[in-house]
Amino acid sequence: EVQVVESGGGLVQPGGSLRLSCEASGFPFSTSWMTWVRQVPGTWPEWVANIKGDGSIKNHVDSVKGRFSVSRDNAKNSLYLHMNNLRVEDTAVYYCGRQNEGGSIDYWGQGVLVTVSS
Amino acid sequence: QSALTQPASVSGSPGHSITLFCAGTSSDVGGYNFVSWYQQHPGKAPKLMIYEVTYRPSGVPARFSGSKSGNTASLTISGLQAEDEADYYCSSYTRSNSHVFGTGTQVTVL
Repeated sequence: EVQVVESGGGLVQPGGSLRLSCEASGFPFSTSWMTWVRQVPGTWPEWVANIKGDGSIKNHVDSVKGRFSVSRDNAKNSLYLHMNNLRVEDTAVYYCGRQNEGGSIDYWGQGVLVTVSS
Repeated sequence: QSALTQPASVSGSPGHSITLFCAGTSSDVGGYNFVSWYQQHPGKAPKLMIYEVTYRPSGVPARFSGSKSGNTASLTISGLQAEDEADYYCSSYTRSNSHVFGTGTQVTVL
């Protein structure tokens, strides 16, 4: 059975930092592209970042470049999103997912809420 | 990267067919056969319904089908059922090596 579980969300002040974690099981994690998507409730999803199975390729959406960084630890079947200099507009539910060859996300976590507010 | 354009809402009667559209550009939808469709019920994570324009993942009913013409992708739901009422989002790979989602369509089953 596939399981994808995010953690690490919460309330943080503008300018603060947070690290999201995602633990996956039930599929070959170390050879799978993984991705982060966020969604402000009531609006459409926004792709945030992805990373190749071996960690050699990383891509980030322009709005988070220089502030967020995706990483992974294949020994722990875990994906991370390091978020620095957080802004109010980063407030969203953050989802972790497995990205297949065509770029689609076939396995999703339940999401974790990040709230940036003073 | 601007979001792909989808109509805000579409409705249909049970058993009928509806088609959802997703308009992009030659830098995303029109340039690659990497268009996906997701279904999202309130409070839930999105669920993959179509990938690479026309393919259905295992477990997705055959009444869901996808296609593309130029810069516009389509999702057709045939034999509409009550449980199909949800938000639907398209997504595409883009020239800038990223992915972009559509603005979403709320499907209502009358």
